[in-house]
Amino acid sequence: QKEVEQDPGPLSVPEGAIVSLNCTYSNSAFQYFMWYRQYSRKGPELLMYTYSSGNKEDGRFTAQVDKSSKYISLFIRDSQPSDSATYLCAMSAAGNKLTFGGGTRVLVKP
Amino acid sequence: GAVVSQHPSWVICKSGTSVKIECRSLDFQATTMFWYRQFPKQSLMLMATSNEGSKATYEQGVEKDKFLINHASLTLSTLTVTSAHPEDSSFYICSAMEADTQYFGPGTRLTVL
Repeated sequence: QKEVEQDPGPLSVPEGAIVSLNCTYSNSAFQYFMWYRQYSRKGPELLMYTYSSGNKEDGRFTAQVDKSSKYISLFIRDSQPSDSATYLCAMSAAGNKLTFGGGTRVLVKP
Repeated sequence: GAVVSQHPSWVICKSGTSVKIECRSLDFQATTMFWYRQFPKQSLMLMATSNEGSKATYEQGVEKDKFLINHASLTLSTLTVTSAHPEDSSFYICSAMEADTQYFGPGTRLTVL
C-alpha cells in the first residue's frame, strides 16, 4: 500500500462546475499538506499549503485537511478550461521531504 | 516571490556523455534543494536532497556516482548525469525550500540517444 493514495482520474467536468479532488494517507506523522498543479511538461506549481487540520481558502481554491481521517481535499470552484492539468497532493512530517500522491488528471471541458 | 529556475529546459546528448543541469532560486536563499525525476504519466520520484555546503543525501536505489549533485551556494544546485544512457532519459525537476514549502523549477527534459 502506498503512503499516499490519489485517484489518477481522468476527472472530466464541464466548465463552471466544482472540481473535487482528494488524497488519503497512512502516515500519522504528516503535518504539512500541499496541493500542486502541474501542466504537461512543466514543473509543479504550488496552489495551497496547509499546516495540520482545518480549511483554507484562496480565491477559487479551498483546501481541507482532516487528520483524524487521514484525508485531504481540494475544491476548485467555477472551473475553467485553463484548470485542466494534473493535480498532485503532497505532504511531509517535518516540513522538508515531500511524499507525493500519484496525481489526478483533470479535464475541464468548455 | 519564490521563483526557481532550471537550465537548460531541454537537452539532447549522445550515450556516454555527461550532462549538467542547474537549479537556481532567484529571489530567495535555499539551504536545501531537492532533485526529482518524473517519467511520463507518473508522479515525481525524489532522487536526492541537496544541502548547501555538504554532501547530498541520496534516496535508496539512486546511484550517487552517476548522479552527481553539488550545492555550492545558497542559490545554486547542480545535477550532473555522468555517462548518460538512454534509460536516463527523463524529466528532471528541482525544488528549493523556503520556510516549510518547496517551490519547483520548470524542469529539464533529458533525451539520451
